[in-house]
Formats: sequence, structure tokens, C-alpha cells
Amino acid sequence: EVQLVESGGGLVKPGSSLKLSCVASGFTFSSYGMHWIRQAPKKGLEWIALIYYDSSNKYYADSVKGRFTISRDNSKNTLYLEMNSLRSEDTAMYYCVYGGYWYFDFWGPGTMVTVSS
Amino acid sequence: DIVLTQSPATLSVTPGESVSLSCRASQGISTSIHWYQQKSNESPRLLIKYASQSISGIPSRFSGSGSGTDFTLSINRVESEDFSVYYCQQSYSLPRTFGAGTKLELK
Repeated sequence: EVQLVESGGGLVKPGSSLKLSCVASGFTFSSYGMHWIRQAPKKGLEWIALIYYDSSNKYYADSVKGRFTISRDNSKNTLYLEMNSLRSEDTAMYYCVYGGYWYFDFWGPGTMVTVSS
Repeated sequence: DIVLTQSPATLSVTPGESVSLSCRASQGISTSIHWYQQKSNESPRLLIKYASQSISGIPSRFSGSGSGTDFTLSINRVESEDFSVYYCQQSYSLPRTFGAGTKLELK
């Protein structure tokens, strides 16, 4: 059974940093691209980052480029999202998502990030 | 970026009705469209991939069609568990983008 468990969310002040983690199980993590997708409260879905299975390529939405970094440790079956210079508009539920590069097969339960002074 | 426009924003139906939800792309994207269901306080779930391909475990009343710029998610005889928000997503190019969603609600 595929499982994705995100952690690391919380309440932080504007301008601060936060690092999210996602532990994966139930599939061969090292063989799949992984994504982070977020959803602001009462809003729609926004794709923010993709990392290839071997970390050879990383892609970002313009809204987070230069501030967020996606990474992975295949030895630990773990996906990361390092977030710097956080803004109020980054407030959202952050989902770790598996399924390759084109569509999103399975979503974790999410971890909530709130950026507020 | 490719913009996906979903309509209607809200659809009010009674159980047993059949419905069609629309997703229109700002440019031709072949069949690179995927559909998700998000129930209240839950993570999204993949319903249909590549416009019309079914997903294991998804009820057969869900189907998809379309190519180019116009796509449709159909639900044959809506059941109570189907009242949710539905999103389309394109994989034709990066960044991956989603439509704003269609909320299916009980009339």
C-alpha cells in the first residue's frame, strides 16, 4: 500500500524558513519522480515543484522559484521541500505527490504551513 | 503557461442525475488532461488520466472525453458520495496547471 507522510509544517513569520519532509513507502521511491503541490485555504490546487527520480532535474513554479528547493534522499525514501523567504501568500496545505512526471497518482494527507506575523 | 478553464463553477444536482463537467485549455494539448476528485477535508484522488483512460479502483460511472482544447468529465447517475470538487490538470507542458475546479453539490 502506497503511503506518503508529510511533516514539518507550522506557523512561521514572514521572511523565515521552513523545511518540509515526506516519507514514502509501499513503492520503489527511487524509481519515480515526485512533486510538491499546495492548496491555499478555500482555494484551488497549485503545482510548485518536480524532482526527477535521480535528482537530475528539478522544476519549479515561478511563484516559488529562487525561494524553494526540492530535494530527495533515495536511501531514506524521503522527499524534501526547503522554503525560504516565506510570504503570507505561501500559506497553504502542502502535499507530497507521487506518480511520475505527468499526472498525480497518489497524494499524501498534507502538512499545513501558515505564514503570519 | 497553459490556462485551464472549468465550467460551471458550481453544479447543483440530485442523486441519480447524470452530469458533464467541462475543462477548456488555452491552447491545444492533445489528450494531456487528467481529472481529480477532492472531497471535503481530504486529499485529491486521481479519477481519469489522459482524457479518457480509466483508473483502477475508480467506479465505472466516471468517464472522460475530449482532445485538443475541450474536455469533459461525465458522471453517470450521481451518487451521494460524488458530491465533491473536481479539478482538471494538464501535463502538456511545465508548469503543470490545474483548473479552478467545479463543485458538485446537492440540489
